Amino acid sequence: GQSLEQPSEVTAVEGAIVQINCTYQTSGFYGLSWYQQHDGGAPTFLSYNALDGLEETGRFSSFLSRSDSYGYLLLQELQMKDSASYFCAVQAGTALIFGKGTTLSVSS
Amino acid sequence: GAGVSQTPSNKVTEKGKYVELRCDPISGHTALYWYRQSLGQGPEFLIYFQGTGAADDSGLPNDRFFAVRPEGSVSTLKIQRTERGDSAVYLCASSPGQGGDTQYFGPGTRLTVL
Repeated sequence: GQSLEQPSEVTAVEGAIVQINCTYQTSGFYGLSWYQQHDGGAPTFLSYNALDGLEETGRFSSFLSRSDSYGYLLLQELQMKDSASYFCAVQAGTALIFGKGTTLSVSS
Repeated sequence: GAGVSQTPSNKVTEKGKYVELRCDPISGHTALYWYRQSLGQGPEFLIYFQGTGAADDSGLPNDRFFAVRPEGSVSTLKIQRTERGDSAVYLCASSPGQGGDTQYFGPGTRLTVL
């Protein structure tokens, strides 16, 4: 079977740093993606890791350890607009297999 | 350019009825995906098209669900004999290549089966 585990909720204040972890168990693995989804909106792509290591894109970074079947999304200098759900997703073949999502609430 | 569009944005139907949900992918994108998202859950894969053909339909829950993409662009997800458990947001995504590329999602169709 295939499963992804991530925390259901995270809270933080503006300007802080937050790390959202994701562990996965899949048959077949090509890479780990992260998507952001605001309430009522479409999931939007944030990052993709196919190889071990850290990928940085502005305030967001993503890390992957294939040997540990683990990754994380790091959000720095949090802003109120970062309040959303964040999904890790495994590329297993052509489809994306999504986790249940982490709801991030940023307060002032 | 224009993103992925889906129509209708909302659909309310009665149990047992037939519904069609439409997806217009980004122009030039050969890969098209359908997902279903229930409240508090991540998107759940339904079917993947490469061009006109369904390359992977392993996520379709049963034979009441069917999707087509006759000209390799617009796709229609068809649900027969709808059940209350089919209520969800149906998301469409497209990507430029063979699969494994970044997927660009549409806003979804919220289906409510009464």
